[in-house]
Amino acid sequence: GIQVEQSPPDLILQEGANSTLRCNFSDSVNNLQWFHQNPWGQLINLFYIPSGTKQNGRLSATTVATERYSLLYISSSQTTDSGVYFCAVGTGNTNAGKSTFGDGTTLTVKP
Amino acid sequence: SQTIHQWPATLVQPVGSPLSLECTVEGTSNPNLYWYRQAAGRGLQLLFYSVGIGQISSEVPQNLSASRPQDRQFILSSKKLLLSDSGFYLCAWTPYYGYTFGSGTRLTVV
Repeated sequence: GIQVEQSPPDLILQEGANSTLRCNFSDSVNNLQWFHQNPWGQLINLFYIPSGTKQNGRLSATTVATERYSLLYISSSQTTDSGVYFCAVGTGNTNAGKSTFGDGTTLTVKP
Repeated sequence: SQTIHQWPATLVQPVGSPLSLECTVEGTSNPNLYWYRQAAGRGLQLLFYSVGIGQISSEVPQNLSASRPQDRQFILSSKKLLLSDSGFYLCAWTPYYGYTFGSGTRLTVV
């Protein structure tokens, strides 16, 4: 099956700093999502981005499907950004298919 | 509006006891539904998915089973829990693009 590798595994920032999280995958994909898991375990959908670039406030994401990677940018980080960020990829139609998750990047933002 | 509900939020069960976790979706019909498990410090692993009533696909051999008795209801069960069944269980569906997850059930088997 498809392999998903996220880096770095852990990241510690001071409030206000910027960061880049990376997701590499081993095969062509039809769907890719970024999630934020908060300290209570809730998984929040950040982006659905199988290709191209999207932005939502201080967060943006870029997927280069031909090179099999995706990047999540967090600018002007806040303590509420802390948590685990997951990348999930799939090769089928997302409405009927299955996704493989990476092991995540644990982000800690210090005040 | 479309929402997904999952309960209970936490559960502590003895080894050998049965398990039933329930997930329901509101505001849609014939959703694709998924059960994922997250071990401590790890990513999510797909356990089961369903594209319709009575249609269950299992992704990994395990001590668990799933059922879909109604269109918007997805149940995860076990007849006898093992210590290794401990983890964080999440139900998900795919409204438009990508997954939307329930709030999860944290299961501890003691």
